[in-house]
Amino acid sequence: AQKITQTQPGMFVQEKEAVTLDCTYDTSDPSYGLFWYKQPSSGEMIFLIYQGSYDQQNATEGRYSLNFQKARKSANLVISASQLGDSAMYFCAAVPNYGGSQGNLIFGKGTKLSVKP
Amino acid sequence: NAGVTQTPKFQVLKTGQSMTLQCAQDMNHEYMSWYRQDPGMGLRLIHYSVGAGITDQGEVPNGYNVSRSTTEDFPLRLLSAAPSQTSVYFCASRVLAGGGELFFGEGSRLTVL
Repeated sequence: AQKITQTQPGMFVQEKEAVTLDCTYDTSDPSYGLFWYKQPSSGEMIFLIYQGSYDQQNATEGRYSLNFQKARKSANLVISASQLGDSAMYFCAAVPNYGGSQGNLIFGKGTKLSVKP
Repeated sequence: NAGVTQTPKFQVLKTGQSMTLQCAQDMNHEYMSWYRQDPGMGLRLIHYSVGAGITDQGEVPNGYNVSRSTTEDFPLRLLSAAPSQTSVYFCASRVLAGGGELFFGEGSRLTVL
């Protein structure tokens, strides 16, 4: 079974600064995917970024990048140049690509990010 | 382009009542799932389906039933609601292969009194 750990329940960052949200995962699956989602106070789940376990390069999407360290089972999200609109809950998730649980994203408990003006 | 549509958005039930949360997707995704979100607990998987006629239990299936008669629809049934089922429920779907993102509905807030 997979397990996702997000050790930071809440974080503050100054506007325009970069911030790293931590995520570690525990899986025995040989092939898996890693996701980050954003949930603003309005409640919808917004997909941010995806990293495949066999991808050589770290994934990037605009101001978001995923710092993937496979040996350490770490998939930290880096947000550059924080904006007030980045204030939200952020969830890390993992999914096995094969087997009986294929397709099931397992989520961490989330990190609440607050951006200060 | 509707994506994943779930209804109702809000519902108040009394203990022991039954109800169905509806979910439909128009992206021809094989995989559909239901999650519940509680404060401090993240999203926990209730039930999932990898195709019409196939369903299976997730992490927290007790008190919930599902069926998948078509690719598009995946309703979640509460047969006898309990206060512990007060939560926000999300339906989601994705393509199984290729690392596709999980597309979420807008969520349904259920309160059981």
